[in-house]
Amino acid sequence: QKEVEQDPGPLSVPEGAIVSLNCTYSNSAFQYFMWYRQYSRKGPELLMYTYSSGNKEDGRFTAQVDKSSKYISLFIRDSQPSDSATYLCAMSGAGGTSYGKLTFGQGTILTVHP
Amino acid sequence: NAGVMQNPRHLVRRRGQEARLRCSPMKGHSHVYWYRQLPEEGLKFMVYLQKENIIDESGMPKERFSAEFPKEGPSILRIQQVVRGDSAAYFCASSSGLTQETQYFGPGTRLLVL
Repeated sequence: QKEVEQDPGPLSVPEGAIVSLNCTYSNSAFQYFMWYRQYSRKGPELLMYTYSSGNKEDGRFTAQVDKSSKYISLFIRDSQPSDSATYLCAMSGAGGTSYGKLTFGQGTILTVHP
Repeated sequence: NAGVMQNPRHLVRRRGQEARLRCSPMKGHSHVYWYRQLPEEGLKFMVYLQKENIIDESGMPKERFSAEFPKEGPSILRIQQVVRGDSAAYFCASSSGLTQETQYFGPGTRLLVL
């Protein structure tokens, strides 16, 4: 079993839709949770960063972390064609051997069509 | 350009040759991380370095791979005697000393081994 599971999709939605992207994980030591966006043949771009459980909102993006369920989500409101990319969840621990080492999900390919 | 810089962006090597990948972190960042992205796979951690120190190399293959981050100059990921299975995108990320979990990625080096 992988430490971080993410449905690779692909996910196709119409412009303006609300998009929900999810990851589950098995390592209870994870304390930091990130979402990255990666356009084709580019480097990952940090979108959202959350520590421990809770919600965080930034513009059209909302990140949620439920540590009790080992489940994290990214919501994109009013999706745009420019949001079409691969979305990667990433996690790391707060100390010890996992600190500074990001563990990534496989990535979900999202297409927003006009 | 204050972002993470990597060069070369594309590198072609024949089997048995050496590959050297370079990474300059964001201004003000002293922590560097290397990740590898194989076709159809997610990003995998390789190594975490600070200036003149290897902090965590748990993701590095035991042979042929080495990394350094000297006091002056960029971080180098070196692959000796490359094989076809080394063909991948190699990404460098950097962070400040205060927030190792918020890592900013470079554009990557795409290595092709013929």
